[in-house]
Amino acid sequence: KNEVEQSPQNLTAQEGEFITINCSYSVGISALHWLQQHPGGGIVSLFMLSSGKKKHGRLIATINIQEKHSSLHITASHPRDSAVYICAVSGNQFYFGTGTSLTVIP
Amino acid sequence: EADIYQTPRYLVIGTGKKITLECSQTMGHDKMYWYQQDPGMELHLIHYSYGVNSTEKGDLSSESTVSRIRTEHFPLTLESARPSHTSQYLCASSSTGPSYNEQFFGPGTRLTVL
Repeated sequence: KNEVEQSPQNLTAQEGEFITINCSYSVGISALHWLQQHPGGGIVSLFMLSSGKKKHGRLIATINIQEKHSSLHITASHPRDSAVYICAVSGNQFYFGTGTSLTVIP
Repeated sequence: EADIYQTPRYLVIGTGKKITLECSQTMGHDKMYWYQQDPGMELHLIHYSYGVNSTEKGDLSSESTVSRIRTEHFPLTLESARPSHTSQYLCASSSTGPSYNEQFFGPGTRLTVL
């Protein structure tokens, strides 16, 4: 049983499309994180949120604490957005989803 | 940009060798972590430290050991590498300040044991 579930596992989009990646979790948390992992392995923290919504450029993250659900949206997707996006939650410890592999085609 | 470094980035070694994966951060973070990640799989916590001379095992059993003699340095050692240790190892750190939950990740070490 995974404490963090992401969908879809794989996603291919055309450049310019609006993309949504979903994350559901089953444990109590103090924060939810969206991470980006590029080929080669480096991980970058995109968002850390505990309520509401955050926006950085073309990326938007939302969280619904009651429903234990978060979404990551990418507007006007670009090939450089191609990466694995990982949802993680933190409370007493960190739990990670298996990631969503996104490929944006020019 | 996070200031957390890992060396080597890639390592191919034979079975039975002793190896140390280095991790250093220049942010003064008290908390440091080691994760293991197999291709296409989630990250698993194998060790963590909340400060100098503090080390704990994570939720994934590991034959590796760690030490924390200095705040900025958190090396991971495998005494006798085996093919089952082939994986990617990611180091991370976080502060105890207002953003205490935010982890900064190193670039990772991809280990192959032949």
